[in-house]
Amino acid sequence: GAGVSQSPRYKVTKRGQDVALRCDPISGHVSLYWYRQALGQGPEFLTYFNYEAQQDKSGLPNDRFSAERPEGSISTLTIQRTEQRDSAMYRCASSSTGTGGAIGETQYFGPGTRLLVL
Amino acid sequence: AQSVTQLGSHVSVSEGALVLLRCNYSSSVPPYLFWYVQYPNQGLQLLLKYTSAATLVKGINGFEAEFKKSETSFHLTKPSAHMSDAAEYFCAVTSKAAGNKLTFGGGTRVLVKP
Repeated sequence: GAGVSQSPRYKVTKRGQDVALRCDPISGHVSLYWYRQALGQGPEFLTYFNYEAQQDKSGLPNDRFSAERPEGSISTLTIQRTEQRDSAMYRCASSSTGTGGAIGETQYFGPGTRLLVL
Repeated sequence: AQSVTQLGSHVSVSEGALVLLRCNYSSSVPPYLFWYVQYPNQGLQLLLKYTSAATLVKGINGFEAEFKKSETSFHLTKPSAHMSDAAEYFCAVTSKAAGNKLTFGGGTRVLVKP
């Protein structure tokens, strides 16, 4: 079956532009997570959803970052007025049940979107 | 708060030699621990995880890890390295209190020499 997919795989944009990054989770997966990975570092949590509800957005760095998952499936991470410091790999993951279910459940990661802000 | 430290950002091993990647965690509540592997241009793939059952966990591709609460460690080992093990490896922790959000270490890149 299909895994987690993300698009675009690469995005180059100019400082000040808005970007939208898309994540398509494994079909039927309840939970969806966004992480950001700077070069040479491990991924850092941004936000996550159970179905369409955003459960935790404590990792979003500032109010230029937002995420939505309106129908409980595909999610979009939007960065407004991009800055050079936003350049990173943005990773999406999904898992089959919400936090009311099994803790420690495996998160399945997509290939990521590499964002470069010039 | 939870955190993970991976000792050594780069490790070089000879083909056939032991692979040992170190991971120490900090968590105020019982942890759940993971090792993920990242091959070039691919997503993170789960190698193995500890979720409070057996302390010695066996994963894919011949890897295993042992949870040692007294040492707050979850080191990853493989008895005999293969060229295909060249990749970047990440240790991660979560807990019920963290709501399943993963906290990752900085990663260890493994180079396998023929």
